[in-house]
Amino acid sequence: GAVVSQHPSRVICKSGTSVKIECRSLDFQATTMFWYRQFPKKSLMLMATSNEGSKATYEQGVEKDKFLINHASLTLSTLTVTSAHPEDSSFYICSARDFRQSRSTEAFFGQGTRLTVV
Amino acid sequence: KQEVTQIPAALSVPEGENLVLNCSFTDSAIYNLQWFRQDPGKGLTSLLLIQSSQREQTSGRLNASLDKSSGRSTLYIAASQPGDSATYLCAALGGSNYKLTFGKGTLLTVNP
Repeated sequence: GAVVSQHPSRVICKSGTSVKIECRSLDFQATTMFWYRQFPKKSLMLMATSNEGSKATYEQGVEKDKFLINHASLTLSTLTVTSAHPEDSSFYICSARDFRQSRSTEAFFGQGTRLTVV
Repeated sequence: KQEVTQIPAALSVPEGENLVLNCSFTDSAIYNLQWFRQDPGKGLTSLLLIQSSQREQTSGRLNASLDKSSGRSTLYIAASQPGDSATYLCAALGGSNYKLTFGKGTLLTVNP
């Protein structure tokens, strides 16, 4: 399958600082990238959808000013958690897809980032 | 709104046993259904993708089936091994919004 690389895998930051998470599609071009948050024993929660060169579309209840998403190229999307607070501590996962040929393509996921805000 | 349910939430079996994981979804208007494996603290690894027009897909010891009309999918694992221990997630790709809706997963433990 295709490879999606997410970095860093773990990050600890102080409350009030910002953290950037990168998501790269290594061997394909991703027209669309998705950012998820995963809570213990719960389903993955979709935070936002980003299309290359466009503004991200955020799900209801997700603060766009807190979770800044950039998708400047077909291989890179970034999620920046601004002014992080302990309640932002979570596991964040990105997914990348190429929708140019079909809408029903396989979704590939990054390795996830464990964010801990202290 | 699509809802995906996975049963059981956890399953513990002895090595060598064949097992079935269940996934149900409420909206049958899906493009595809995908099964994933997640190891602790890791991302998702795609196992099998079944398009809406297909009935099943096979990869090695894994076989996934899809019955759109009844809103069900199953993942069959043959001759389970301790290395199969992980959380298995199913996700349905929505026909109207192209978004994946995930179940909560089944935590599988295969005991040596």
